[in-house]
Amino acid sequence: AQTVTQSQPEMSVQEAETVTLSCTYDTSESDYYLFWYKQPPSRQMILVIRQEAYKQQNATENRFSVNFQKAAKSFSLKISDSQLGDAAMYFCASIFDSWGKLQFGAGTQVVVTP
Amino acid sequence: DTEVTQTPKHLVMGMTNKKSLKCEQHMGHRAMYWYKQKAKKPPELMFVYSYEKLSINESVPSRFSPECPNSSLLNLHLHALQPEDSALYLCASSQRTGGENTIYFGEGSWLTVV
Repeated sequence: AQTVTQSQPEMSVQEAETVTLSCTYDTSESDYYLFWYKQPPSRQMILVIRQEAYKQQNATENRFSVNFQKAAKSFSLKISDSQLGDAAMYFCASIFDSWGKLQFGAGTQVVVTP
Repeated sequence: DTEVTQTPKHLVMGMTNKKSLKCEQHMGHRAMYWYKQKAKKPPELMFVYSYEKLSINESVPSRFSPECPNSSLLNLHLHALQPEDSALYLCASSQRTGGENTIYFGEGSWLTVV
């Protein structure tokens, strides 16, 4: 079975500090895609960052970066210089199949304190 | 602003009603999705239309039926729903060509069944 696992229900970080969210996955596929989505209280699902499994270089988007360890099946998200607007639920997700079905982890709630 | 538009934003319906949720995208994407999300849970895939073919999550009850009039529109027909069907319904789309599999979400339709 293909799974995505987030083991941190909640993470707290102070403004301007850095926080890292963990994600592991399990698949026998060699070609797949990994994503981090952010869902603020408005419940809008916002793409944060994406990573193709065949690319060794870690993706970055401004203050957001990933540490992709393919052999370990790990895909963590680092948020640098945290801002109050970063407070949200963060979902790790993956596409493992040819239909493009997105499979989600349980989510990690990020709390940002002033 | 999202380029996936969902209407209505909020819907309250009785258990004997028939209603529809509508979704539209103008990005030329070839795949569209319906997800259901309960509070504090990740989204669960209900249906995928990809290149005019339908894939169904077999756990979805028949009181939900999708319709894809063309590649830009996706409807979700609702009939004889139960209170436990109250949730946020998210529509999404994806290009699904040239290795581009990123899924973009609409703002969601809040459904309450009374």
